[in-house]
Amino acid sequence: DVKVTQSSRYLVKRTGEKVFLECVQDMDHENMFWYRQDPGLGLRLIYFSYDVKMKEKGDIPEGYSVSREKKERFSLILESASTNQTSMYLCASSTSGRGDNEQFFGPGTRLTVL
Amino acid sequence: DAKTTQPTSMDCAEGRAANLPCNHSTISGNEYVYWYRQIHSQGPQYIIHGLKNNETNEMASLIITEDRKSSTLILPHATLRDTAVYYCIVRGSNFGNEKLTFGTGTRLTIIP
Repeated sequence: DVKVTQSSRYLVKRTGEKVFLECVQDMDHENMFWYRQDPGLGLRLIYFSYDVKMKEKGDIPEGYSVSREKKERFSLILESASTNQTSMYLCASSTSGRGDNEQFFGPGTRLTVL
Repeated sequence: DAKTTQPTSMDCAEGRAANLPCNHSTISGNEYVYWYRQIHSQGPQYIIHGLKNNETNEMASLIITEDRKSSTLILPHATLRDTAVYYCIVRGSNFGNEKLTFGTGTRLTIIP
């Protein structure tokens, strides 16, 4: 069974802290994605990666960075967390090279920044 | 990617077919129609996708109009576990265009 896992389901951090959200997939997928989801705004793409050490900005990259040192792992980093980064964060992965490939999502991490 | 329009919410009686419409009038020839759903507090789940022809799998059927400007997702025998937000997404097939653009979807409530 395909699987995308995220390091935490719930996380509480303080303003100014450096936050790491980890995502691991076991499907040997080339593509990995980070989204955030807020009420009334749907899912918005933060960053994505087509391959190891490659990254592309999504629609809302400000305040975030990412790291992809290994194919199976994609990390989202909040350098200095702020209260407006309180949100649900979703990781996804997909194969590459095909035109019609679905994304597999993790369970999400609900981050609260106080 | 083409924009999609979906009703904000719908109700359906348990055991009946749920028909969820989606308009994508600006879809281009190489763009696929995808459907995902999100059950409360979970990550989105892939349901089905198609290009031109109607598609069916174990979860649902996808009917795409001949001009491809709209589609309908059909859940043939809705159960309470089908209560979720359903997203219709149009996505290109070119390499480097794998990202999905989610709208706000249709909140489907299955009524016992």
